Amino acid sequence: GAGVSQSPSNKVTEKGKDVELRCDPISGHTALYWYRQSLGQGLEFLIYFQGNSAPDKSGLPSDRFSAERTGGSVSTLTIQRTQQEDSAVYLCASSFRQGNEQFFGPGTRLTVL
Amino acid sequence: QQQVKQSPQSLIVQKGGISIINCAYENTAFDYFPWYQQFPGKGPALLIAIRPDVSEKKEGRFTISFNKSAKQFSLHIMDSQPGDSATYFCAASFQKLVFGTGTRLLVSP
Repeated sequence: GAGVSQSPSNKVTEKGKDVELRCDPISGHTALYWYRQSLGQGLEFLIYFQGNSAPDKSGLPSDRFSAERTGGSVSTLTIQRTQQEDSAVYLCASSFRQGNEQFFGPGTRLTVL
Repeated sequence: QQQVKQSPQSLIVQKGGISIINCAYENTAFDYFPWYQQFPGKGPALLIAIRPDVSEKKEGRFTISFNKSAKQFSLHIMDSQPGDSATYFCAASFQKLVFGTGTRLLVSP
């Protein structure tokens, strides 16, 4: 029973570059969430996927952010033209279904120079 | 309306003492109130959760008290231990989780 895994664990990039962050949810979990945690701050909701329904993108801060979930499993969060304010830990979580306990991955620490 | 307000921001408690963290919400549609514990470099992990049909839930040294009319809930950690030192987040959910800003707890030996 592996937990939620995320890769890479750390990513350093230059301002203006695109980055892709990956999340592997727990097998069988239909709901998948992305959050952003800035240093010393709480968790900011970004987007969630529930089964085959259209994702809830209401938390994405700008159109530079996008995410997809292929085959109802792995998800990729893409940030285009990264800015320094995008530096944060990006956390992925999954749950058996919407509203159930969310299990978090260890996060990807993104640093934009 | 979607906010969850958490206090205090930080807390220092002596070993063996009681740690109390408070949260308040506005949206009466919230129907699930979990508490998460996060250690440095790790993702948050569910500690304990409550639904609004009960006023208290206890699991070991951890208790959630829930006041539906006041729209407040709190986490009590009894007999606090140095290993409890972490950041604690309350959250409220209606379809998706809304997190409080976190409380950094330090339990001194």
